[in-house]
This record gives sequence, structure tokens and C-alpha cells, in this order.
Amino acid sequence: KQEVTQIPAALSVPEGENLVLNCSFTDSAIYNLQWFRQDPGKGLTSLLLIQSSQREQTSGRLNASLDKSSGRSTLYIAASQPGDSATYLCAVNTGNQFYFGTGTSLTVIP
Amino acid sequence: DTEVTQTPKHLVMGMTNKKSLKCEQHMGHRAMYWYKQKAKKPPELMFVYSYEKLSINESVPSRFSPECPNSSLLNLHLHALQPEDSALYLCASSRPNTDTQYFGPGTRLTVL
Repeated sequence: KQEVTQIPAALSVPEGENLVLNCSFTDSAIYNLQWFRQDPGKGLTSLLLIQSSQREQTSGRLNASLDKSSGRSTLYIAASQPGDSATYLCAVNTGNQFYFGTGTSLTVIP
Repeated sequence: DTEVTQTPKHLVMGMTNKKSLKCEQHMGHRAMYWYKQKAKKPPELMFVYSYEKLSINESVPSRFSPECPNSSLLNLHLHALQPEDSALYLCASSRPNTDTQYFGPGTRLTVL
């Protein structure tokens, strides 16, 4: 069974810093990998989707990379803002089945 | 329209009650999902419907009964739940296999 791990579990940074969140998965047979953000008690908001044939995707201040062979993805957030504070989840799609990582709780301090 | 709606937002029920959660999307997606999320944990997949047929049931107890009456609607019928079933229940939809999942805001369920 696919296992997805995210490091670190929690991260606190001052506003303006660039930061990297990590996601690793055990089975490289995936269709795609998706990064989400979740605010407390809310649903998930999709940030970026990387297909298995792609190496990276960018949206605004966010850049996600995928190294399928090594089972790793990173989410890079540039110039962090207090509004970025949330839990970030990666999810691996193995074909109509999504496995979520354990999440990284991010706090950006003004 | 990239919205998935869920009703109700909050639900409190006793262990002998029967209730239903509802999920709706009008994006033409043919895959719909139910997830359960406990506090400070990632979502756990419960059911997947693909083209209105149940394709995945992740060994969910029979007190949870999913239904997909048409391509836009997904229900989760609840009966004789336990207090440990209290959680945030999330619905999502996507084009099957390769596309982005869109999530609804969830239903916060409390079982007394």
C-alpha cells in the first residue's frame, strides 16, 4: 500500500522567508501528485497538480517539483505571507485512489 | 463553476438516528469521492464512485451507505453511528484517473 510522508510536521517562519515543504511516497507507480492547502475546520483547496510525466508546476509564488523515481515532491513557497498560514497536504493518485500525506502545519509570523 | 457543495455544514445526531449527507457538483465530473477526516489527521478515503458506479469501498462499516443517484449528486446515508464516527466528512470530484480533485467544504458530524 502506498505510504505518503510529509516533513516537517510543523514549520514556523517569519514573513518574507522562502520555504520548502517535502513529500515522499513509497510506490512510484502514480498518475499524478497534488498539493492542497487546508485552513482549520475547512475543506481542501487545490494548489498545484503535477502529472507523472512532468517535473514541475508553478502558480504565482508556488512551485512544486516531482521526482517520481525517487518518490519525492517539494512545494516551494516564495516570499511567505501570514495568509499562507495553513496545513499543506500532498496527495498521490494511483488511479482513482488518492493517498494523503500526514501534512505540514505552516505558521507565518508577521 | 469549480464548486463542490455539501449539505448540511454541521450535523449532530444520536446513535439511533438515520441521517444523510449530500454532495453536489456541476462540473461534469464522473468520479466522486467520500473522505473522513479526524482532527489533525489527513483525509482517509471511504468510497469512490466512477461513472455512477461504486468502484472503491475502503472497508467502511455498513453503517455508512453511499449512493450516487446521478452524475452530479453523491449521498452518504448514516445509520446507527458511533461516537468515534464524529469527524469532518469531505466530498470531492474529478475527471476519472488523471485530473485535479475538487473538494467541498465538508460536513462536521458529531455523534452523541
